[in-house]
Amino acid sequence: EVQLVESGGGLVQPGRSLRLSCAASGFTFDDYAMHWVRQAPGKGLEWVSGISWNSGSIGYADSVKGRFTISRDNAKNSLYLQMNSLRAEDTALYYCAKCPFSGYDCWYFDLWGRGTLVTVSS
Amino acid sequence: EIVLTQSPGTLSLSPGERATLSCRASQSVSSSYLAWYQQKPGQAPRLLIYGASSRATGIPDRFSGSGSGTDFTLTISRLEPEDFAVYYCQQYGSFGQGTKVEIK
Repeated sequence: EVQLVESGGGLVQPGRSLRLSCAASGFTFDDYAMHWVRQAPGKGLEWVSGISWNSGSIGYADSVKGRFTISRDNAKNSLYLQMNSLRAEDTALYYCAKCPFSGYDCWYFDLWGRGTLVTVSS
Repeated sequence: EIVLTQSPGTLSLSPGERATLSCRASQSVSSSYLAWYQQKPGQAPRLLIYGASSRATGIPDRFSGSGSGTDFTLTISRLEPEDFAVYYCQQYGSFGQGTKVEIK
């Protein structure tokens, strides 16, 4: 089955760190660029970060630049998001999303995971 | 940064009616990267339309997209009960704020 499964979310204090993972299955992971998109409770979608198939191109939203790091391990069919210096406004459901192409310049997502919830609160 | 403004915020319609959703960009954008998604409560978004007018795999033909430049439209020709949801447009790293299509 073609799917993405996120994990690693939870309750964390402001200023602390968290690492999200996304496990891909059912398709050739290293053929595609991957992205993270988040959704605060009751709010709309916000793009967070994206990475090309070979990690050669990476991008971040201004709201997370310098604090979050995206990476991937093609041998493990996995995508990661290292989140440092977390803030209350980072509280959201974080989705892993697949592009239909390999390059970072791929701006629509044809497969989404169910998300993992990150809550930043003291 | 491109700002996408969707209208209306909420659309109240009955099954069988036609739904017309608008997405306006703050500057002219490439149609190649204009996408529409459907999101139901408790579910992840689902890709409906990419490249402004191409339907994603498995999407019924009652969904259609059009537009260019700064103005784009998602049309649902005849609403089915399962179409009541929130719809988002996307251009590059920007998403619109969403249009909720609710049952009248």
